[in-house]
Formats: sequence, structure tokens, C-alpha cells
Amino acid sequence: DIQMTQSPSSLSASVGDRVTITCRASQGISNYLAWFQQKPGKAPKSLIYAASSLQSGVPSKFSGSGSGTDFTLTISSLQPEDFATYYCQQYNFYPLTFGGGTKVEIK
Amino acid sequence: QVQLQESGPGLVKPSETLTLTCAVSGYSMSSDSYWSWIRQPPGKGLEWIGSIYHSGSTYYNPSLKSRVTISVDTSNNHFSLKLSSVTAADTAVYYCARRGGYEGHYFFDYWGQGTQVTVSS
Repeated sequence: DIQMTQSPSSLSASVGDRVTITCRASQGISNYLAWFQQKPGKAPKSLIYAASSLQSGVPSKFSGSGSGTDFTLTISSLQPEDFATYYCQQYNFYPLTFGGGTKVEIK
Repeated sequence: QVQLQESGPGLVKPSETLTLTCAVSGYSMSSDSYWSWIRQPPGKGLEWIGSIYHSGSTYYNPSLKSRVTISVDTSNNHFSLKLSSVTAADTAVYYCARRGGYEGHYFFDYWGQGTQVTVSS
């Protein structure tokens, strides 16, 4: 199985901060990577697919980059509604696997 | 707009079979998509359980494969999950989701709201 490792597992940030989350795959997955946002008690929401393509309706403050084994999700200016847990997920190989999540909290 | 809605019992006894159904609206299940189940134990991360293509081809997580069956009913626009011999470790929120295709990239673009399943006697 491909292991997806996210870092950090949690972070504290202020409104307006630029935030970067990293995701590393245990082997190359090309650009078959997605990012999700999950708020407490809610289903995950798709943000990015193909490592850097923004899902329809997602604001442009979210961006993704990377290919192969190393990927990043950046939030350009953190807003109150962005405090949530973020997951990466690879869909190049079965079994499909998720990272452990990064919880973004208010400083 | 694609919508998915899970249904099924919220409480299952140990050793019994968990059965959930996901109703799909706003989209024909006969089209090019994979229909999936994902779960999230309390306070933990996401685990993919398995997917079924509209043609009926199935893909299961090896960690659960011996206990999982996913089936699809395209004529009634729903798909189902059966997980046998459940234990407390199967207690989780269960989500159904669509893996839609975008230029060769099939990712989870639409999710149900999730349903809590507790395994307890």
C-alpha cells in the first residue's frame, strides 16, 4: 500500500496568514493526488484534484502543487471559515489511501 | 447537482452484517463514475473501503476484502455496502461518495453526509 504522510499533523495560525501543508507519498504517484477539507461533523469537501487543479466552486485562495512523491496545499490568506482538518489522498494505485490529516486551528 | 444519501441501521451487533445503502440523485449511475464507500472511526482519519464501477467491476481494500461486498443497482440509482462479521473496530461514520472522472482523474468529488454506525451488543 502507498503510505501518505502529512505534515504537520496540526498547526495554529492567525486570520490572514499564509498556510502550507505538505503530503508525501511512499512511492511515486505522478499527479494523482487530491486534497479535501473537513469540518467537525461534516463530510469531507473536495478542494483540489490532479495535484493542482481547483475543483469547481472552490475559491482561488487554495492552491496545490507537486508531482511524484511530494505535494503541498497552500491557503494564501487564512479566513475563519478555513479552520478545519485537511486530508490528502492518492488515487493512482489501489488501495486508495489518505493522509492522516492536518488540523488547522486558530491562534 | 449530484447528491448522495446514506441509509441503514445505526446500531449493529457484533458478528452480524452491516448493510448500508446510498441513494444517488441528480446523476445517472450508468455513466462513467465509480461509486465508493469510505469510513471514519471516531476521532480518526479516513479509510477507503471499496468502489464499484457502473459496469459492476469492484475494487476493495485488502484489509477488508474478505468481509466486504459492494453492489450497484443502476436502474434504481443506488448502491450498497455489506460488511460481515463486524466488531467494535468497525464503529465509524460511513460515507458514500462518487469518484467522478475529469480528464482521466477519478477522485471523490461528491460525498454523502455520512451515517454513524455503532457496533455493540
